[in-house]
Amino acid sequence: AQSVTQPDIHITVSEGASLELRCNYSYGATPYLFWYVQSPGQGLQLLLKYFSGDTLVQGIKGFEAEFKRSQSSFNLRKPSVHWSDAAEYFCAVGARGGYQKVTFGTGTKLQVIP
Amino acid sequence: KAGVTQTPRYLIKTRGQQVTLSCSPISGHRSVSWYQQTPGQGLQFLFEYFSETQRNKGNFPGRFSGRQFSNSRSEMNVSTLELGDSALYLCASSATGESTDTQYFGPGTRLTVL
Repeated sequence: AQSVTQPDIHITVSEGASLELRCNYSYGATPYLFWYVQSPGQGLQLLLKYFSGDTLVQGIKGFEAEFKRSQSSFNLRKPSVHWSDAAEYFCAVGARGGYQKVTFGTGTKLQVIP
Repeated sequence: KAGVTQTPRYLIKTRGQQVTLSCSPISGHRSVSWYQQTPGQGLQFLFEYFSETQRNKGNFPGRFSGRQFSNSRSEMNVSTLELGDSALYLCASSATGESTDTQYFGPGTRLTVL
């Protein structure tokens, strides 16, 4: 069965510092990978997704993620964090055929300090 | 283009009651999925509707049901509420429901069962 692990429950970074959120997955074939962000009181918003091709994926709001098959990872990065990036971030793994096959991680809560 | 809307945003019910939640997808989207989000279990897939038919179902008891109307609006019903049903219920829409198709989430309905 597929699974996804976000090892960091909570991360605190200073505004302007770089950010890396970790995501490890377990999946038999080439997975579909997603990163979502959820601000307080809001639903999830897709930041970026990977299905195939270039392993470095650019997303919205200045985020990027790199698919590393050898490490079963899909870490999310941002070179300079803004206070508005404070939110909860979810990594998800799925497959072709529909969102019923997507498994979400437990989330990483990002706090940004001035 | 208007986003996904969910009503009501907050609900308080008592055990044994039933509840109906509503979701209006983005115009033109035919797939509507429902998710339950709790601190303990994370984000879990409930079911997906496409063109008024339930196409996929998650691992939830029969107390959870839904339907979709011809205008793609969807409702979710939970009967005989239990304390454990307290959660944020998220609706998401996409054009086709395929995993490669971006899914847009609504802000959710916060259900509290007393």
